[in-house]
Amino acid sequence: GENVEQHPSTLSVQEGDSAVIKCTYSDSASNYFPWYKQELGKRPQLIIDIRSNVGEKKDQRIAVTLNKTAKHFSLHITETQPEDSAVYFCAASRGRANFGNEKLTFGTGTRLTIIP
Amino acid sequence: NAGVTQTPKFRVLKTGQSMTLLCAQDMNHEYMYWYRQDPGMGLRLIHYSVGEGTTAKGEVPDGYNVSRLKKQNFLLGLESAAPSQTSVYFCASSRPLGDQYFGPGTRLLVL
Repeated sequence: GENVEQHPSTLSVQEGDSAVIKCTYSDSASNYFPWYKQELGKRPQLIIDIRSNVGEKKDQRIAVTLNKTAKHFSLHITETQPEDSAVYFCAASRGRANFGNEKLTFGTGTRLTIIP
Repeated sequence: NAGVTQTPKFRVLKTGQSMTLLCAQDMNHEYMYWYRQDPGMGLRLIHYSVGEGTTAKGEVPDGYNVSRLKKQNFLLGLESAAPSQTSVYFCASSRPLGDQYFGPGTRLLVL
């Protein structure tokens, strides 16, 4: 099955600086890569996702890049703010195309702390 | 529109007891999922369902059973709870080509 590795497990950055979180995956058939943000005691919430036919996707201060050849994808947060402090999870799936193939495999999470 | 809801929010069980966690969604989603979240291990899929009356095993199904008798509900059962099942349980739902929306979670402690 799919295996997703996420690094680093913890990350501290000064407010205003950029943060980068990286994930690698093992299943070359994976074609959907979402990122979730989870604040303390709250539910995971989707913040951005990318599909295998796209190399980069941006949404305001958040961007995700995908390198299918190397089987890794990254989350980039620019101009970080205190409210960006949370745990971030990457995930990978073969789904989005085949019925019944929607299983997400999650990374182990990155605890991001923004230092004021 | 409540989205995805879970009951109970918190529960303490003794080893060997049974319980059922309820997940409900009002978004008319076909797919529903149960995950467990443990420190340092991310979210792991327990069981999932692609439609009313159908269920399938995920990554860590042992010790759990599920049922999807109604499209809007997905039940997770623990027949004989073990301390290793102490965790936070999240339910999620989605359309077949849509994003997964998570419930608020159920914190379970098995003594």
